[in-house]
Amino acid sequence: KAGVTQTPRYLIKTRGQQVTLSCSPISGHRSVSWYQQTPGQGLQFLFEYFSETQRNKGNFPGRFSGRQFSNSRSEMNVSTLELGDSALYLCASSNRDRGSYNSPLHFGNGTRLTVT
Amino acid sequence: GNSVTQMEGPVTLSEEAFLTINCTYTATGYPSLFWYVQYPGEGLQLLLKATKADDKGSNKGFEATYRKETTSFHLEKGSVQVSDSAVYFCALSDAGAGSYQLTFGKGTKLSVIP
Repeated sequence: KAGVTQTPRYLIKTRGQQVTLSCSPISGHRSVSWYQQTPGQGLQFLFEYFSETQRNKGNFPGRFSGRQFSNSRSEMNVSTLELGDSALYLCASSNRDRGSYNSPLHFGNGTRLTVT
Repeated sequence: GNSVTQMEGPVTLSEEAFLTINCTYTATGYPSLFWYVQYPGEGLQLLLKATKADDKGSNKGFEATYRKETTSFHLEKGSVQVSDSAVYFCALSDAGAGSYQLTFGKGTKLSVIP
C-alpha cells in the first residue's frame, strides 16, 4: 500500500509570493491533516479535512488555507509569504472514518519550504 | 488546553545503553497517547500508542505505559542501537477537544554512538 505522498519535496519562494502544496493520502483514508514543523515552534497543527470538509483549524492567520477534493487528495495554500513561513510542512492521513480518535496519523515526508 | 512536555535533548547514549525519554501531558478529556519517531529527511512514523490507562504500547523493543495517575507516558528501551538515532515525539489526541488533532511535545533528539 502506498504511503502518504507530498509534492514537491522542496520549494524556494520569495516574500510576498504564494505557494500551493499537495498531498495524496493513503488509499481509503478520508481524513487529511496538515502540520507545520519549525525548529522554534516544533510541530503545530494547521487544519484537518474529512470528506472535503474542514473539521478544525489551528491558530494560524488566514493566509494559510486548504482544501480537500472528492478523491481525498488535499492542497494547502499560503499567500503573501513571510520569512517566518519557512518550515517543513507535513501532511498526514488517517483512517478516522472508522470512528476512532485512536487511529494513528500516517505522515508523508513533507515539503520543505524556504522563503527568501 | 492540551499540552505535552518532553525532556529536553539532545540525548547521547552508547550502543546497548538503556533509554528513557520522559513525557508528561495535560489534557481536557481522556486522551490517547502516541510516540512518533522522525529520521533525518523524513516525516514522522508511529512508534507505539496507548489508548487507555495502564495500557502498554510496544514496538521494535520500545515500550511506554499510559499512567493516568501521573499523567505520563515515558518511552523506554532496554538496549539502544545506532539505528535508533532519531528525533522522538510524544503526542496526544483528545476526543474531548472535539477534533482529531495531535498535540506534540517539542521532540527529543537521540544520538547513539558505537
